[in-house]
Amino acid sequence: EVQLAESGGGLVQPGGSLRLSCAASGFTFNTYWMTWVRQAPGKGLEWVANIKEDGSRTFYVDSVKGRFTISRDNGKNSVYLQMNSLTAEDTALYFCARHDVDTAIYFEYWGQGTLVTVSS
Amino acid sequence: QSALTQPPSASGSLGQSVTISCTGSSSDVGAYDYVSWYQHHRGKAPKLIIFDVYKRPSGVPARFSGSKSGNTASLTVSGLQAEDEAVYYCSSYAGGYDFDVAFGGGTTLTVL
Repeated sequence: EVQLAESGGGLVQPGGSLRLSCAASGFTFNTYWMTWVRQAPGKGLEWVANIKEDGSRTFYVDSVKGRFTISRDNGKNSVYLQMNSLTAEDTALYFCARHDVDTAIYFEYWGQGTLVTVSS
Repeated sequence: QSALTQPPSASGSLGQSVTISCTGSSSDVGAYDYVSWYQHHRGKAPKLIIFDVYKRPSGVPARFSGSKSGNTASLTVSGLQAEDEAVYYCSSYAGGYDFDVAFGGGTTLTVL
């Protein structure tokens, strides 16, 4: 059974940093793209960043470029999101998801999310 | 503001059918057949229910179907059941050389 478990969320002040983690199990982790998607309070979903199977390619939504860094450790079956220079607009529930193997476009499996609140 | 436009709410009685629309542009829905739909029950992990416009992942009931015409995609849920009450999000690939995916704002489906 595919399982994704996010952690690391919490309350952080504007300008601060936070590192999210996502522990994966139930599949061969190093053969899938992984992604982060977020949902701001009362809003829809927003794709944030993704990373290739071997970590050699990454993509980001424009609003987080230069502030967020996605990475992975295939030895630990984990993907991370380092978030710096946080603003109130980054307040959201952050989901980790696994891409499909065929197109690497769809988000085939998701975790339940970890909440990030940016406030003073 | 979400890139794709969905109605905020939809409803139908048990056993009936309901269709949820998702309007994008010639840069996303109209440009690619990479439209997907996700079902999200509050507090749970979102679930992929439709991909490639109309295909269903293994285990998703045939009651869920998808279609597309021009810049608008649609999700139809037939034979509504109580457990179908959830928020539904459409999504479309929107990237070219770089990866980009657009989501709709979500539609809350209420089963009466």
